[in-house]
Amino acid sequence: DIQMTQSPSSLSASVGDRITISCRASQSISSYLNWYQQKPGKAPKFLIYAASSLQSGVPSRFSGSGSGTDFTLTISSLQPEDFATYYCQQSYSAPLTFGGGTKVEIK
Amino acid sequence: DVQLLESGGGLVQPGGSLRLSCAASGFTFSSYDMSWVRQAPGKGLEWVSAISGSGGSTYYADSVKGRFTISRDNSKNTLYLQMNSLRAEDTALYYCAKGGYAPLYFDYWGQGTLVTVSS
Repeated sequence: DIQMTQSPSSLSASVGDRITISCRASQSISSYLNWYQQKPGKAPKFLIYAASSLQSGVPSRFSGSGSGTDFTLTISSLQPEDFATYYCQQSYSAPLTFGGGTKVEIK
Repeated sequence: DVQLLESGGGLVQPGGSLRLSCAASGFTFSSYDMSWVRQAPGKGLEWVSAISGSGGSTYYADSVKGRFTISRDNSKNTLYLQMNSLRAEDTALYYCAKGGYAPLYFDYWGQGTLVTVSS
């Protein structure tokens, strides 16, 4: 199975900050990497697919990059509604696997 | 609008069975893979199972293989998860999600149904 490792597991930031979240795969997954946002008590929301393609309706302050084993989710200017937990997920091979999550908290 | 509505969760004893359902609307149900993803209390996301649009192909996580069965009824736009031989570690919020292998992401999620396995 492909293991997905996210770092950091949590971070504190202020509104307006630029933040980056890393996701590393245990083997190459090309660009088969997706990102989700989850707020407390809510279902996950789909943000980015194929490492860098923004899902329709997702604000442009979100961006993704990377290929192979190393990927990054960047929020260019953190907004109050962005405080949440973010998960990466590989769709390269079965079983589909998620990273452990990165919780973004208010500083 | 796409809507996914799960039902069937509840409290069950270890070794027991439960059948989850997910009613879908707002898209051509038979054209897409569907999946179940679970989240144990306070934990991360774990993919459980997926099924192709026709229902002809199914996929399972090792942790549930042989105990869970995914199926779908395209005439009713409904996804199912039959869970047998339940264990305490199966306790989680179970989400129905559109997608899996086709497309290669989960673009819509239900609100989840809670399964608690306890004596």
